[in-house]
Amino acid sequence: DGGITQSPKYLFRKEGQNVTLSCEQNLNHDAMYWYRQDPGQGLRLIYYSQIVNDFQKGDIAEGYSVSREKKESFPLTVTSAQKNPTAFYLCASSITLGSPLHFGNGTRLTVT
Amino acid sequence: GQQVMQIPQYQHVQEGEDFTTYCNSSTTLSNIQWYKQRPGGHPVFLIQLVKSGEVKKQKRLTFQFGEAKKNSSLHITATQTTDVGTYFCRVRDDYKLSFGAGTTVTVRA
Repeated sequence: DGGITQSPKYLFRKEGQNVTLSCEQNLNHDAMYWYRQDPGQGLRLIYYSQIVNDFQKGDIAEGYSVSREKKESFPLTVTSAQKNPTAFYLCASSITLGSPLHFGNGTRLTVT
Repeated sequence: GQQVMQIPQYQHVQEGEDFTTYCNSSTTLSNIQWYKQRPGGHPVFLIQLVKSGEVKKQKRLTFQFGEAKKNSSLHITATQTTDVGTYFCRVRDDYKLSFGAGTTVTVRA
């Protein structure tokens, strides 16, 4: 079955620690994205990538970093510089930039 | 710059009734996509509209793209408990792709 896998589903970290969220897709999609969702809020774009070895900042990139070394993988690192990291993080992919998104199940990150 | 508004923010519906939610943009759009997110879940793509005045139906859901390509509506007839969730629009103009804040739908049985 083709799809997007995010792991883990729940993640707990202490303040001051960096943490990396995994996102893998086997849909052969060129574009991949990271969104953040806070309770009762919409989706805010953190980073996106149109192609391997290239990525662009979204609306709320500060305190986050990404890499796109393989087409299938787009990991997100939440650094200690992110002031309010506790949130629901959603990874998505699409055939090309702007085409309909396929989302992973998300990772709920709690930082205390 | 582009601004996207979804109205209403919350919709409380009696089971069996109809309702409409709207997505309005300040700029002319290339296309618009609609997604549904069930409570505790992830957004799922529903439909994409591209042409001015386009109307598409999915069972009890009717999607429409405005003639000026600046707004869109989602109409649900005979609401069921399975319609519970948040409906998001994602819009694209010449410069940007953005999600609206969503309409959260609850259903009274």
